[in-house]
Amino acid sequence: QVQLVQSGAEVQRPGASVKVSCRASGYNFVIYDITWVRQAPGQGLEYMGWNSPYNGLTSYAQNFQDRVTMTTDTSTNTAYMELRSLTSDDTAVYYCARRAPYYYDSSAYYPNDYWGQGTLITVSS
Amino acid sequence: QLTQSPSFLSASVGDRVTMTCRASQGISNFLAWYQQKPGKAPSLLIYAASTLHSGVPSRFSGGGAGTEFTLTISSLQPEDFATYYCQQLNTYPFGGGTKVEI
Repeated sequence: QVQLVQSGAEVQRPGASVKVSCRASGYNFVIYDITWVRQAPGQGLEYMGWNSPYNGLTSYAQNFQDRVTMTTDTSTNTAYMELRSLTSDDTAVYYCARRAPYYYDSSAYYPNDYWGQGTLITVSS
Repeated sequence: QLTQSPSFLSASVGDRVTMTCRASQGISNFLAWYQQKPGKAPSLLIYAASTLHSGVPSRFSGGGAGTEFTLTISSLQPEDFATYYCQQLNTYPFGGGTKVEI
């Protein structure tokens, strides 16, 4: 079965960087993109961007463009999200999710059909 | 931009509930709905505005196109008390969510 298993919770200092991993199993990792989404405590979902393991293509949300890097390692079926210059506003649960094509009425749609369990990143001095 | 309403919805088991997601510009039917329970990752309910994801109970239905979309639960079950998010499937922002409470 499809599984996405994320790395464990971390505490980081303001100004530091964090790198979250997401290991995939149960499907062909190369052909599905990975999306990253975060959720601050008590808040809604915030889209960060996606990355293609197939060709390395990335698309980042404008809010994160300057300080996020999303990568994949196809030898270990693992996706990574690195966020730099952390502030307390970056305290959140970070999720990876599979971005899969679904076809309906001759159009393709790319919702997120499988999700990791989430990784809590706390930014505190 | 996606705006969901209401932010909170109080209902009882067996009720029919409907929530709305409005897009700031037309997005055809490029919309998905997710359910999230406390402490858990979201799960996909609907894509293409009205197509039920595999395994999702038929009491869930989605409708709309362009700028206004709805998610309806025909008969609310105890396991449906959760927060529901819409997501635009062009540029991928989420709405602010609707929390369905007892």
